[in-house]
Amino acid sequence: DTAVSQTPKYLVTQMGNDKSIKCEQNLGHDTMYWYKQDSKKFLKIMFSYNNKELIINETVPNRFSPKSPDKAHLNLHINSLELGDSAVYFCASRRDALNTGELFFGEGSRLTVL
Amino acid sequence: KNQVEQSPQSLIILEGKNCTLQCNYTVSPFSNLRWYKQDTGRGPVSLTIMTFSENTKSNGRYTATLDADTKQSSLHITASQLSDSASYICVVSADRGSTLGRLYFGRGTQLTVWP
Repeated sequence: DTAVSQTPKYLVTQMGNDKSIKCEQNLGHDTMYWYKQDSKKFLKIMFSYNNKELIINETVPNRFSPKSPDKAHLNLHINSLELGDSAVYFCASRRDALNTGELFFGEGSRLTVL
Repeated sequence: KNQVEQSPQSLIILEGKNCTLQCNYTVSPFSNLRWYKQDTGRGPVSLTIMTFSENTKSNGRYTATLDADTKQSSLHITASQLSDSASYICVVSADRGSTLGRLYFGRGTQLTVWP
């Protein structure tokens, strides 16, 4: 039974389109994250939610809008897609936002913008 | 500035050989350090956690060390296998104040094991 699942795994779309990536965790964790992994494999934090509340919002264009309907779900909607948005997006969860919890990652969603 | 630096950026070794990956950090105040393994096309998975009081910890063929004075950690892989080919990412957690629970990522070391 997958702990952190995200869909779709692959997404190919045209510039200017709007797309969403969904994430769900069944670990009972309070904190969820979205990370962007570029072509050089660096994982960069985008957003973090704790119990449905936004706690981290890095300098991400406001074309990116996260939504957390409940603490088990964190979705990412992207408007007006640009070529530079092509990357692998990882959802992750942690027991809570404090310092000892292990991050559990999803399998990633590879977004390709043409 | 809180940073995590990993070296080497990439490494190629022959199957059966040992290797050591390095992680230096400037994160303060320090809480803990984790090594994650990321296989190609998969999400990262935690290998081990090192806290301030721990010097060495083993997980099978993986042995992590931590020197909190010099702010360095290493991950030693013994008798490498083809399945060890992956990216190894060092992640440091901050401890107090506005940085409580904040995570700092290294850029990873890409390890390739050849038969």
